[in-house]
Amino acid sequence: NAGVTQTPKFQVLKTGQSMTLQCAQDMNHEYMSWYRQDPGMGLRLIHYSVGAGITDQGEVPNGYNVSRSTTEDFPLRLLSAAPSQTSVYFCASSYGRRGYLSYNSPLHFGNGTRLTVT
Amino acid sequence: AQSVAQPEDQVNVAEGNPLTVKCTYSVSGNPYLFWYVQYPNRGLQFLLKYITGDNLVKGSYGFEAEFNKSQTSFHLKKPSALVSDSALYFCAGRASGGYQKVTFGTGTKLQVIP
Repeated sequence: NAGVTQTPKFQVLKTGQSMTLQCAQDMNHEYMSWYRQDPGMGLRLIHYSVGAGITDQGEVPNGYNVSRSTTEDFPLRLLSAAPSQTSVYFCASSYGRRGYLSYNSPLHFGNGTRLTVT
Repeated sequence: AQSVAQPEDQVNVAEGNPLTVKCTYSVSGNPYLFWYVQYPNRGLQFLLKYITGDNLVKGSYGFEAEFNKSQTSFHLKKPSALVSDSALYFCAGRASGGYQKVTFGTGTKLQVIP
């Protein structure tokens, strides 16, 4: 049971380049989300999804795009990378009925993608 | 709206002493609160959760947390700290109702000194 798998582990981009961070889970979780972790700021929610075809914005969605075509996958797209997007990105999933995050189910995290934008 | 605060960036404690990592919350309705731990270069791991009911919640690795509704706090505790407990700890919460977002605190680095 792999849990939540994120690829790549590390990435260096130049300003203006685009890329996709991949996230896959094998737990049949309806809820998936993307966070960025920055020193002193904790984890901030970028986008989340409560089922295939359903996505919504978190606290810091600007510059990022998501889609959810399957239950298993939730890729995060950087449209035009900026130095301010240098961060560690975490994907997390949780059990819930389609359309809802279960109250008492914790988040399961991947091991993160460390992104540097120069 | 909802927010979670961890007032201490770092907590230092001697091995064998009790430890407390503080968390306060501002969540409308019934709060659902969680503690996670992060080891270097890894994702967060779930430690324990408060849903409703007992104010003392027991979790993994000997950790427990005390929920106090009047003080809107959910402090993480352990009776006897181990060097291997040194890590980054995050408090998280969400509101009841249709709110689907989980909000994290800024994290507290726990350093257990041998």
